[in-house]
Amino acid sequence: GEEVAQTPKHLVRGEGQKAKLYCAPIKGHSYVFWYQQVLKNEFKFLISFQNENVFDETGMPKERFSAKCLPNSPCSLEIQATKLEDSAVYFCASSQSGTGFQPQHFGDGTRLSIL
Amino acid sequence: QKEVEQNSGPLSVPEGAIASLNCTYSDRGSQSFFWYRQYSGKSPELIMFIYSNGDKEDGRFTAQLNKASQYVSLLIRDSQPSDSATYLCAVNKGGGFKTIFGAGTRLFVKA
Repeated sequence: GEEVAQTPKHLVRGEGQKAKLYCAPIKGHSYVFWYQQVLKNEFKFLISFQNENVFDETGMPKERFSAKCLPNSPCSLEIQATKLEDSAVYFCASSQSGTGFQPQHFGDGTRLSIL
Repeated sequence: QKEVEQNSGPLSVPEGAIASLNCTYSDRGSQSFFWYRQYSGKSPELIMFIYSNGDKEDGRFTAQLNKASQYVSLLIRDSQPSDSATYLCAVNKGGGFKTIFGAGTRLFVKA
């Protein structure tokens, strides 16, 4: 499609439950990025992909967070055993190339609320 | 020290004035620089990008880059109330697979 599509728009989970977020990049874009924005503060980079390959996951809290981009499927970000501090808006972005000279196009975000 | 620093504001300017937004970055190897605008509750949208030292103009917007000073700015001429938003400075480190965002500057344009 012509836009980055994120689902669901809003996800509510009890503390300790699992949360799974989805992202379909713009058609033809090979690079996908996930960010976390807490309370309208700065974006925290989580992970980047080229197609199904992870290129940089230095921002991921690895003990509970995982992400995948599989062929012919939306990319996903999964949080196991959610904590209150995971409440945030999670943005996905895609770009044509990963050289850094192409801008990233953002989806509308998924608002995750942990109760 | 944060990798990308912006004054959080709010920056308030009257309608028709020039708004000047500033950003500094710490990694001298940074290669590309982006300004995004984010309205409350919305996703960021790209305003400008710049790679080379100097100025780049696009309509009412001018991006300025000074790699020696590790400084990038965004000027908005003839500011309009619709320009009121948070402006995010983003810096791509080498390789391009990781983008670091600043905390954003809130801009208010008063009618």
